[in-house]
Amino acid sequence: EPEVTQTPSHQVTQMGQEVILRCVPISNHLYFYWYRQILGQKVEFLVSFYNNEISEKSEIFDDQFSVERPDGSNFTLKIRSTKLEDSAMYFCASSANTGTLRTDTQYFGPGTRLTVL
Amino acid sequence: AQTVTQSQPEMSVQEAETVTLSCTYDTSESDYYLFWYKQPPSRQMILVIRQEAYKQQNATENRFSVNFQKAAKSFSLKISDSQLGDAAMYFCAYRSMNYGGSQGNLIFGKGTKLSVKP
Repeated sequence: EPEVTQTPSHQVTQMGQEVILRCVPISNHLYFYWYRQILGQKVEFLVSFYNNEISEKSEIFDDQFSVERPDGSNFTLKIRSTKLEDSAMYFCASSANTGTLRTDTQYFGPGTRLTVL
Repeated sequence: AQTVTQSQPEMSVQEAETVTLSCTYDTSESDYYLFWYKQPPSRQMILVIRQEAYKQQNATENRFSVNFQKAAKSFSLKISDSQLGDAAMYFCAYRSMNYGGSQGNLIFGKGTKLSVKP
């Protein structure tokens, strides 16, 4: 069964450094998302992406964040200058829109644990 | 804005027994989707079950079923014949119906930690 993959599984970085989190969505999916989960808290929406542009973004997704689909398979989240409070689990998700029954379901990757020191 | 509330931070069930996890939500929309996701200790988010608001019939997936009460804005998850592998964090989530070019983001509750006792 196709699945969303994310790399790395764990990233440790120094405050102020740039990080890029990578995701490979399910191949026929058209909609891509990033969510984050600070330890012990609920999952929060960051951004959605469709047709090579941002569809929606939350207030968390400020100028320090950017997303990109550099090729036909990868979907990346970049944090330009990390802060301590960026430490969290980051989940990528994707969904399809082919007119079939389950097109609206978002399928999640295993997550990248980001630790900012 | 829509909100999702899970009022049970923790629940416990004996193996082979049945447990029900509660979820309520607030919305002014008439068309939407509801989901239950499972997050085991590995922290991956796994879809358990989904419900379309326009369907009156409650969704079922093997041992998992929901009790969807649209008027009450309630969406509880029932796990029958609980197994040790069911132990996880369970999140209820809401999503607006498709519109425009966006499929809409998921709005999650705070989660319920389910323990299964052997």
